[in-house]
Amino acid sequence: NAGVTQTPKFQVLKTGQSMTLQCAQDMNHNSMYWYRQDPGMGLRLIYYSASEGTTDKGEVPNGYNVSRLNKREFSLRLESAAPSQTSVYFCASSVGQSSYEQYFGPGTRLTVT
Amino acid sequence: GENVEQHPSTLSVQEGDSAVIKCTYSDSASNYFPWYKQELGKRPQLIIDIRSNVGEKKDQRIAVTLNKTAKHFSLHITETQPEDSAVYFCAASMGYKLSFGAGTTVTVRA
Repeated sequence: NAGVTQTPKFQVLKTGQSMTLQCAQDMNHNSMYWYRQDPGMGLRLIYYSASEGTTDKGEVPNGYNVSRLNKREFSLRLESAAPSQTSVYFCASSVGQSSYEQYFGPGTRLTVT
Repeated sequence: GENVEQHPSTLSVQEGDSAVIKCTYSDSASNYFPWYKQELGKRPQLIIDIRSNVGEKKDQRIAVTLNKTAKHFSLHITETQPEDSAVYFCAASMGYKLSFGAGTTVTVRA
């Protein structure tokens, strides 16, 4: 049981490049989330998926898109990376309406130059 | 949306002493309040949580208290140990969306 996994662990992009961050969970959770973590600002929700087939904006969705590929996988796409998107990105999952406890993946450290 | 404020931003305690971190929230509809611990370079890990129908919850050396009227909740760590050194985040939600505080860096001095 790997829990929540993320790929890649590290990535360096040039301004304007695109990339997709991958997230998968093997806990049969219904809900999945994408956060970014910046120094001194805690974690901020980018997008979430309450259940397979649904996605909703969080606090800071601009510049990002998401896809809930199936129950296990939730990807985050940066279409045209900007230096302001330099951050650590965490994926998380939770059971759903019966329990909101969120379990986090190991994170992706992204640098945009 | 929900706004969570966390204090202090840094906390240094002597090993064996207690540590207290306080958070306030803005949305009276919030009903779930988790605390996460994050060690350097690691993922946040849930250490304890409380729901709005409970005033206090304990788990060994960790306890959380909730005051719904004042809209604040606190984390208490007793008999601190070096392995308690980490960044602690509070959060609040009334559903799927967790709003996090900015974090408290706790250092336990030997």
